[in-house]
Amino acid sequence: AQSVTQLGSHVSVSEGALVLLRCNYSSSVPPYLFWYVQYPNQGLQLLLKYTSAATLVKGINGFEAEFKKSETSFHLTKPSAHMSDAAEYFCAVSYFGNEKLTFGTGTRLTIIP
Amino acid sequence: NAGVTQTPKFQVLKTGQSMTLQCAQDMNHNSMYWYRQDPGMGLRLIYYSASEGTTDKGEVPNGYNVSRLNKREFSLRLESAAPSQTSVYFCASSDGGAGGRETQYFGPGTRLLVL
Repeated sequence: AQSVTQLGSHVSVSEGALVLLRCNYSSSVPPYLFWYVQYPNQGLQLLLKYTSAATLVKGINGFEAEFKKSETSFHLTKPSAHMSDAAEYFCAVSYFGNEKLTFGTGTRLTIIP
Repeated sequence: NAGVTQTPKFQVLKTGQSMTLQCAQDMNHNSMYWYRQDPGMGLRLIYYSASEGTTDKGEVPNGYNVSRLNKREFSLRLESAAPSQTSVYFCASSDGGAGGRETQYFGPGTRLLVL
């Protein structure tokens, strides 16, 4: 069985500061890893995904994430936070042959002006 | 393209009432999903359909039934609503066939309150 753990249910950063949202996975087989973002009162949309090609993945809105097998991590980063980044972020995992996603509990990102 | 649409947007039910949540996608996707989102618990899969005519239970199927009416539509039915089913329900779809690497596309959600 696979799972993801998101450390920190709430993260606050100042506008212009580095954004770091943590995700660690547990999987007995090589994982596929995803970050989704949910803006207030909306559905989720894909930010980026790792599907066993390049370990550094770039997504939309300046976000990127690095797959580190040795640390079982897939942390999401953005060099400079913008007010529009305020949202809830979900890490999710699947694996080859399984279309079902297992989601983490989410991290709510607040941007301080 | 409307993407994934859900109706209704908001619903209040009394305990024991039934209702059907509707979902449709116009992206010609093979796979469709129903999730529920509860505070502090992320999204949990209720049911999944890999193709028209097939459905499979997810993590939390109890109290729900689904119908994959055709390729476009996937409905979720609560036969006898309970307060524990108060939640936000999301429908999603994906192309399928990529062995787990598919992007899922989500609808805007249905907020359900069961009194």
